[in-house]
Amino acid sequence: AQKITQTQPGMFVQEKEAVTLDCTYDTSDQSYGLFWYKQPSSGEMIFLIYQGSYDEQNATEGRYSLNFQKARKSANLVISASQLGDSAMYFCAMREGVPGGGNKLTFGTGTQLKVEL
Amino acid sequence: GAVVSQHPSRVICKSGTSVKIECRSLDFQATTMFWYRQFPKKSLMLMATSNEGSKATYEQGVEKDKFLINHASLTLSTLTVTSAHPEDSSFYICSAIPDPTHSNQPQHFGDGTRLSIL
Repeated sequence: AQKITQTQPGMFVQEKEAVTLDCTYDTSDQSYGLFWYKQPSSGEMIFLIYQGSYDEQNATEGRYSLNFQKARKSANLVISASQLGDSAMYFCAMREGVPGGGNKLTFGTGTQLKVEL
Repeated sequence: GAVVSQHPSRVICKSGTSVKIECRSLDFQATTMFWYRQFPKKSLMLMATSNEGSKATYEQGVEKDKFLINHASLTLSTLTVTSAHPEDSSFYICSAIPDPTHSNQPQHFGDGTRLSIL
């Protein structure tokens, strides 16, 4: 079974609008972390935002926020006021297990976001 | 802070050549680094976890003798693709965590190496 599922292979959004990128996950661990990364066409992976499984509040980082619904095992990324520079591939990733005990990330298949004028 | 440098950014070489890729943590020490492979328009697949001073831990299906990993210092891990063939052509990217004891620490990635085997 897929541990991280991103069901939107591609998304379009108009400049200045908000967009939500979906991510659902599957784990039996109580302690885990969820990450979102942005990968422009140049290839580098840029860390955007983190949500811990025990965090009670949704994470926010500038124009990025995470809609964390633990019972539904979803961690959707919301980008507000989209900009042309937001056009990129976005990956959701999960780290399972205790701190220091591996720290491996499992990535979803990604969502290609295109911001249009 | 937390800068990871990867070199080279692009390699084009003939089939049968061995290629070494370096991953350096520039402003922190990394006892653990990670090596990923990414096919075009696909996700990142973890190949191995590189451990300073000990053997790397490879993921299932990754050939240890094909992809040699050495982590000789706290700031450098290398991936050597031995006797590379066209099917080894891919985007390889490394990452490291400044403080793996804190669960909220993200992996910081190098800029990746685009390997093309002719």
